[in-house]
Amino acid sequence: SQQGEEDPQALSIQEGENATMNCSYKTSINNLQWYRQNSGRGLVHLILIRSNEREKHSGRLRVTLDTSKKSSSLLITASRAADTASYFCATAIQGAQKLVFGQGTRLTINP
Amino acid sequence: KAGVTQTPRYLIKTRGQQVTLSCSPISGHRSVSWYQQTPGQGLQFLFEYFSETQRNKGNFPGRFSGRQFSNSRSEMNVSTLELGDSALYLCASTRDEPNEKLFFGSGTQLSVL
Repeated sequence: SQQGEEDPQALSIQEGENATMNCSYKTSINNLQWYRQNSGRGLVHLILIRSNEREKHSGRLRVTLDTSKKSSSLLITASRAADTASYFCATAIQGAQKLVFGQGTRLTINP
Repeated sequence: KAGVTQTPRYLIKTRGQQVTLSCSPISGHRSVSWYQQTPGQGLQFLFEYFSETQRNKGNFPGRFSGRQFSNSRSEMNVSTLELGDSALYLCASTRDEPNEKLFFGSGTQLSVL
């Protein structure tokens, strides 16, 4: 299986609800990042959390990192229709000069 | 500041042909990475260039190649196209380190018939 695995693969919620996506990885990392992709477009960076950090906030986004469990979660609060997109976690593996992306979570916000 | 620009946006080719994709990074960014995105394999790292040198390479066959020019613009080339090369090709730039925050272009959608 891949370095970054995301769960769930798809998530559908009502506008105003919170959305939580999870990412698990296998090897030691320098940082973990979350990106958003609207259909067929490029990825947009959302947030970066370093291996010595446990939690980070940016607007309606909250990211946690548990290096002992090799997992991260992305929480989007008070979801909006515009949050409908695919969300990817990406890990910066120690010793590797590249990002390894997970398969993504497809988030749908229903009005 | 202009973002990452990829051209062309769409390409249709036939098997056996070759194709060249272009990427202009954000001004001041010296690292350019290329990724292939398909529904089945997700985002796969192709290679990364820094100051005209390939610094990192993914697990793709030699048909996939790239280069970077002195102005940091980058091109990737795929020769002898196969049906399985149909994908969204994304380039991303960053100032120095390819494992920090990446700025992506909108991608080139390649269809091989």
